[in-house]
Amino acid sequence: QKEVEQDPGPLSVPEGAIVSLNCTYSNSAFQYFMWYRQYSRKGPELLMYTYSSGNKEDGRFTAQVDKSSKYISLFIRDSQPSDSATYLCAMSEQGAQKLVFGQGTRLTINP
Amino acid sequence: GAGVSQSPRYKVAKRGQDVALRCDPISGHVSLFWYQQALGQGPEFLTYFQNEAQLDKSGLPSDRFFAERPEGSVSTLKIQRTQQEDSAVYLCASSPGTANQPQHFGDGTRLSIL
Repeated sequence: QKEVEQDPGPLSVPEGAIVSLNCTYSNSAFQYFMWYRQYSRKGPELLMYTYSSGNKEDGRFTAQVDKSSKYISLFIRDSQPSDSATYLCAMSEQGAQKLVFGQGTRLTINP
Repeated sequence: GAGVSQSPRYKVAKRGQDVALRCDPISGHVSLFWYQQALGQGPEFLTYFQNEAQLDKSGLPSDRFFAERPEGSVSTLKIQRTQQEDSAVYLCASSPGTANQPQHFGDGTRLSIL
């Protein structure tokens, strides 16, 4: 079993919908949680960066971390066709440098 | 440039050849990382440098993989005697500090071994 599990999708929703993306993990030592967006043939682009449990909002994006359940989420409000991409969750331990990624969820927003 | 730059963007090699992949991190970034991303998968950690010191190489899949960062800026990932399973996208990332800071990625080198 992988340390970080993420449903690969694909996920297809209409423009304007609220999108929910999720990851679960098994390593209770993870303290830092990130969401990256990756367009085809491009590198991952950092969207959200959070420490420990709680919520963080940035524009149309909200990241939630529930450490008790080992579950993180990314919500996208008012989704746009330009949000169509693969979304990767990533996490790391305190003091560790390497990121452990989920498989990525492929998202398509239909106009 | 302002971002992480990788070259070449695409590399095709025959099985058994050696390849070298280059990464130019964001200027002034102390930490540099290499990841390998197979098709349809998330990136997997290969190795980490803090300045010129390679502090973690636990993700390198075999002794055919070698990375260096001799002057603490540009890094090279070398793969000797390439095999078909080495085909992947190799991503480089950098971060400004040494402790749990956000990593910024380049667009990767897509390596195909024939």
